[in-house]
Amino acid sequence: GAGVSQTPSNKVTEKGKYVELRCDPISGHTALYWYRQSLGQGPEFLIYFQGTGAADDSGLPNDRFFAVRPEGSVSTLKIQRTERGDSAVYLCASSLTEDAGELFFGEGSRLTVL
Amino acid sequence: AQSVTQLGSHVSVSEGALVLLRCNYSSSVPPYLFWYVQYPNQGLQLLLKYTSAATLVKGINGFEAEFKKSETSFHLTKPSAHMSDAAEYFCAVRGAGFGNEKLTFGTGTRLTIIP
Repeated sequence: GAGVSQTPSNKVTEKGKYVELRCDPISGHTALYWYRQSLGQGPEFLIYFQGTGAADDSGLPNDRFFAVRPEGSVSTLKIQRTERGDSAVYLCASSLTEDAGELFFGEGSRLTVL
Repeated sequence: AQSVTQLGSHVSVSEGALVLLRCNYSSSVPPYLFWYVQYPNQGLQLLLKYTSAATLVKGINGFEAEFKKSETSFHLTKPSAHMSDAAEYFCAVRGAGFGNEKLTFGTGTRLTIIP
């Protein structure tokens, strides 16, 4: 398929461990977003990439969270020293760089921190 | 800053009845407004968007929404509900133009269709 692909779909880890979540956007989409969705809540913005650079990282909750997109395509969200409160579904979306371009979302990576 | 408020976390309607999902926005700049739908175990999908052109916007699956600046609202409607409309619906807002790409979502409304 040509949609946004996220791996793993499910990740269970222990408190204090390091986690990486991967997002493979739609080919040709220069904009990439990460969101976090907790149970019963709407998606919460984390970070937005335009190409390789983070254009807006104002949603990252603290310095345990970091994201990269080194070649302007695949992105990795990295969480250090995970806490139980980090448990959520992490959503990735991509879009063309156009005004009000549609965001295409992946199915998400469900992270559970025990 | 932009935000949206969705009134009613759960809405139930009978099959064939009118669907009305409410969204009010707050924005310090001219807004772009969106409705997304999330079916179980699927990614969010765009239903429709308002980008300062026509105030009545038509989307997929028979849904439409009207931008009312005086009421700061962008309610989603569908004349006749279908069983396949059961899903979670999210209203979202961002500022107009480039440099305002951050999309802020509401808390969602779960729509249940009663046979």
